[in-house]
Amino acid sequence: SYEVTQPPSLSVSPGETATITCSGDKLATKHVSWYQQKTGQSPVLVIYQDRKRPSGIPERFSGSNSGNSATLTISGAQAVDEADYYCLAWDSSTLYVFGPGTMVTVL
Amino acid sequence: QEQLVESGGGVVQPGRSLRLSCAASGFTFSIYGMHWVRQAPGKGLEWVTFISYDGSNTYYGDSVKGRFTVSRDKSKSTLHLQMNSLRAEDTAVYFCAKDSGGRYSGSYGTFDLWGQGTLVTVSS
Repeated sequence: SYEVTQPPSLSVSPGETATITCSGDKLATKHVSWYQQKTGQSPVLVIYQDRKRPSGIPERFSGSNSGNSATLTISGAQAVDEADYYCLAWDSSTLYVFGPGTMVTVL
Repeated sequence: QEQLVESGGGVVQPGRSLRLSCAASGFTFSIYGMHWVRQAPGKGLEWVTFISYDGSNTYYGDSVKGRFTVSRDKSKSTLHLQMNSLRAEDTAVYFCAKDSGGRYSGSYGTFDLWGQGTLVTVSS
């Protein structure tokens, strides 16, 4: 079965750039979305179809997908961005595969 | 506004059954695919199942295949998850989630609305 990996944790200072990677075999051939989950809350979609941003999501969130890796970038991270971030890879054959999640700390 | 509200969680003994529901409001339920996603305590997200907008297609994760059944009631804008032969490892918060695709658009694996979740605990 298909698997994707993410770093368990990432720490960034306020105002700096946080880059979260999601890795999997030929990941660029799949569609990747990203979800933010704050403690005790439900997940929220922050990036879909590799690089599209839903309405209401700040412009500091961006995404890309190439080769074997997809990336979620938070440019100018803020304390409010502290959360777990999950990538989701999809295609019509492998269906839906979540990454293990990355805990982002802003301090 | 668009909303999903899950219900039906609780404590159940191993081997027993439980049925979860997810009430949708604020959008046209009948034209979107729907999912169940679960999260074991302190763990990550795990996709459980998908049902197409008209119920004609369903898909399941390997860990629940043959034990769980997803269904939907168009008249009540409600999604259901019938869980049989429950195991301790099924203990989790179960979220329902709306797919961005359905009758008029492709999915591309985008879950654009989530409920608050309902906790299922499988324990003797």
